[in-house]
Amino acid sequence: QLQLQESGPGLVKPSETLSLTCTVSGGSIRSTSYYWGWIRQPPGKGLEWIGSIYYSGSTFYNPSLKSRLTISVDTSKNQFSLMLSSVTAADTAVYYCARLMYGPNEIDYWGQGTLVTVSS
Amino acid sequence: EIVLTQSPGTLSLSPGERATLSCRASQSVSRSFLAWYQQKPGQAPRLLIYGASSRATGIPDRFSGSESGTDFTLTISRLEPEDFAVYYCQQYSSSPTTFGQGTKVEIK
Repeated sequence: QLQLQESGPGLVKPSETLSLTCTVSGGSIRSTSYYWGWIRQPPGKGLEWIGSIYYSGSTFYNPSLKSRLTISVDTSKNQFSLMLSSVTAADTAVYYCARLMYGPNEIDYWGQGTLVTVSS
Repeated sequence: EIVLTQSPGTLSLSPGERATLSCRASQSVSRSFLAWYQQKPGQAPRLLIYGASSRATGIPDRFSGSESGTDFTLTISRLEPEDFAVYYCQQYSSSPTTFGQGTKVEIK
């Protein structure tokens, strides 16, 4: 059974960089059938796609976040990571890592999510 | 980007009743690339429907999806107690993929 687990600081100061890692178990991140992505959800609000990465390193970013965003993959550790720079309170959200189908991008597996609060 | 508008915002129904949730796209969603997710409090979303009308693995057949032009519908034929949750639609026909704002199905 595939599992995804987010890890990283739960509190980040304004103007600093938010960093999260997703560890994939029960399956290989090298699969050619999937992308790996990040989605966030501000408290009490809806879902926003942040970006996705293929095992080869090809990335796809939400234009609204692109200037602050880096997503990377480490196939040797079966992990992928998110870095979002210059954060503000508006970046406070539950961050989910997820598996997306290659081609049609429905999201078939989600991590449990981790709350990241931006506050001094 | 494609904007998805879900209605109603909240649906108050009793167990056993039929639920009809709407998702309207601001432009054409090609190849029926639309999905529906269910989210319960404190949990990650769960994929219910993909390709507008295909049920994901393990999803009961009381859940069904349909489309008519830019209008998409999720129908729950008979609500079970575990179906009370928030439902989101997602289009993945054009980048960036976008989500609707959600419909909450609550117990009446």
